[in-house]
Amino acid sequence: SYVLTQPPSVSVAPGKTARITCGGNNIGSKSVHWYQQKPGQAPVLVIYYDSDRPSGIPERFSGSNSGNTATLTISRVEAGDEADYYCQVWDSSSDPVVFGGGTKLTVL
Amino acid sequence: QVQLVESGGGLVKPGGSLRLSCAASGFTFSDYYMSWIRQAPGKGLEWVSYISSSGSTIYYADSVKGRFTISRDNAKNSLYLQMNSLRAEDTAVYYCARGGQQLAPFDYWGQGTLVTVSS
Repeated sequence: SYVLTQPPSVSVAPGKTARITCGGNNIGSKSVHWYQQKPGQAPVLVIYYDSDRPSGIPERFSGSNSGNTATLTISRVEAGDEADYYCQVWDSSSDPVVFGGGTKLTVL
Repeated sequence: QVQLVESGGGLVKPGGSLRLSCAASGFTFSDYYMSWIRQAPGKGLEWVSYISSSGSTIYYADSVKGRFTISRDNAKNSLYLQMNSLRAEDTAVYYCARGGQQLAPFDYWGQGTLVTVSS
């Protein structure tokens, strides 16, 4: 089955840029979606189809996808961005929906 | 606005059964694929199952195949998950999410319902 690899944690100072990676074999050929989950809350879609933003998501959130790595970039990080972030793709293997293990973003 | 409200969670013994429901509002339910996604305590997200808009196409994760059954009632704007032969490892918050069509994201999620499997 297809595996998505995320770093367990990323730390960033307020106002700086956070980059959260999602690694997978030739992930650049797939569409990647990103979800934000704050403690005790349901996940929220923040980036879809690699780089599109749903309405209501700040422009500070952006995404890219190439080769074996997809990246969620959060510019001018704020304390309210502290959350777990998950990448997700569709795959043709036995389980068609694959989530990464999640990355905890800490704002210092 | 889109709302998804899950219910039916609770404590059940290993080998027992439970039926989850998800009430949808704020969109044309019958136009959308729907899914169940779960999250074990302190763990990541795990997709469980999806069902097409008409109910004709259904898919399950290997971990629940043969034990769980997804269904929907478009007249009632409701999604269901019948869970049988429950195991301790099925303990999780179960989320109802809009989406499940190939390549598409899960664009709206409910708040989840907790299922605890324990003796």
